Amino acid sequence: SQQGEEDPQALSIQEGENATMNCSYKTSINNLQWYRQNSGRGLVHLILIRSNEREKHSGRLRVTLDTSKKSSSLLITASRAADTASYFCATSKAAGNKLTFGGGTRVLVKP
Amino acid sequence: DVKVTQSSRYLVKRTGEKVFLECVQDMDHENMFWYRQDPGLGLRLIYFSYDVKMKEKGDIPEGYSVSREKKERFSLILESASTNQTSMYLCASITSAGGPSNEQFFGPGTRLTVL
Repeated sequence: SQQGEEDPQALSIQEGENATMNCSYKTSINNLQWYRQNSGRGLVHLILIRSNEREKHSGRLRVTLDTSKKSSSLLITASRAADTASYFCATSKAAGNKLTFGGGTRVLVKP
Repeated sequence: DVKVTQSSRYLVKRTGEKVFLECVQDMDHENMFWYRQDPGLGLRLIYFSYDVKMKEKGDIPEGYSVSREKKERFSLILESASTNQTSMYLCASITSAGGPSNEQFFGPGTRLTVL
C-alpha cells in the first residue's frame, strides 16, 4: 500500500525559480524523508524530519511537516538545472525501519 | 565511501525463467530491502530482512522470494518470471539503529525486462 501521495506529479520551472512539492500520508509516523532520483539511477537521501519537528533546512532545501494534516512539503529555492530529477517522500514508523514511498514528483528545471 | 551494489544494471529474461538479483552492501548494515519501481507508483516494498537468515514480506511479495545467507548479501529471486515483473528493482540497506539521518542507502537499480 502506498503511504504517501505526492502533488504535483510533475513540475516544470525556470532556473532560479523555487520548486514546491507536497506529500500526504495516512498513518502515524516516526519520521518523514525526502529522496531524489536522477533518471534511471538509485535514490539519494536529501533530508529527514522527525514527527516532533515542524520545519527543517538543509542548504537550498526546506521541509515542513504538519502531523495534524498528515502532510509535508519540500521547497527547493533558487533551482538549478542540476535539480532536474524525481523527488520522493517516504515515511517510517521507527528508526531503521522500512520506508513507505509516495509516487514521486518529476521536476524539470529549464536553463 | 559507502556502497550498495547490484549484480546487473540491465537484465533481459524470458517468461518462466528463474531470475536472481543480487545485492551487496559494504557498510555492515543489519537491515536490507528490495523494492520495485514502476511509473506513477513510486517504490513498493517486496521483501526486507533485519538479520541474517531472516526475512519478512513487504507490500507486494507475490511471485518473489529472498535469501539472506550472509549479512552483506540480500538476493531477490523470481521463481518463474512473468511479463508483469518487468520493472526497475532497487536494493537498499540501513543500520538497525537508523543512524543520525535514518538514511537508507540505495543501489543503482536493475532494470529487468521479461519477454
